[in-house]
Amino acid sequence: QVQLQESGPGLVKPSETLSLNCLVSNASIIGPDWWTWVRQSPGKGLEWIGEIYHTGTTNYNPSLNSRLTISVDKSKSHFSLRLTSVSAADTAVYYCARRRIRVGHATLLLGLDYWGQGALVTVSS
Amino acid sequence: DIVLTQSPGTLSLSPGERGTLSCRASQSVTSNYIAWYQQKGGQPPRLLIYAASSRATGISDRFSGSGSGTDFTLTISRLEPEDSAVYFCQQYHTSPFTFGPGTKVDLK
Repeated sequence: QVQLQESGPGLVKPSETLSLNCLVSNASIIGPDWWTWVRQSPGKGLEWIGEIYHTGTTNYNPSLNSRLTISVDKSKSHFSLRLTSVSAADTAVYYCARRRIRVGHATLLLGLDYWGQGALVTVSS
Repeated sequence: DIVLTQSPGTLSLSPGERGTLSCRASQSVTSNYIAWYQQKGGQPPRLLIYAASSRATGISDRFSGSGSGTDFTLTISRLEPEDSAVYFCQQYHTSPFTFGPGTKVDLK
């Protein structure tokens, strides 16, 4: 069973940097899949943050692009999120997930098939 | 960005009934790459349907997806109490991969 586990501080001060890691277990981070971050503000819907491929190629939400860095460490089988200059609007549960790609005679995109349990990050002084 | 609109906002049905949830996109979704997710309180979303109509591994055949272009539907046949949840659609072909606001399904 593929497992993803978020880790990082649960409280960040305004204007500082939010950093989270996602450890991937029982799956190779080197493969056709993309590794994704999604967040959900309290009582609100889901916001796609961005994703990374094992080569380091990234794809970011333009609304966060100027503050966002997603990186991958293949040797440790984890990928990371870094969001700078945070404000209360960045308070959310942050999820990491796998965007599954099935490669065969044709490539098929399967959506976000495995998710971490989520990490609540509160931005407050 | 592709904006997804879901309706209704809340669906109240009785066990055994059929639920029909709609997801409409502001522009055509390439290759019908629409996914549906179920989210229960305090849990991460769970993938139900991908590519508009394919069930994810382990998902009951009571869940089915249909549609193309800009209009997509998730149908839950024979509702069971465990189906009480919020259901989100997502388009995942054109970045940013946007989500709809969700439909809450309440079992009476």
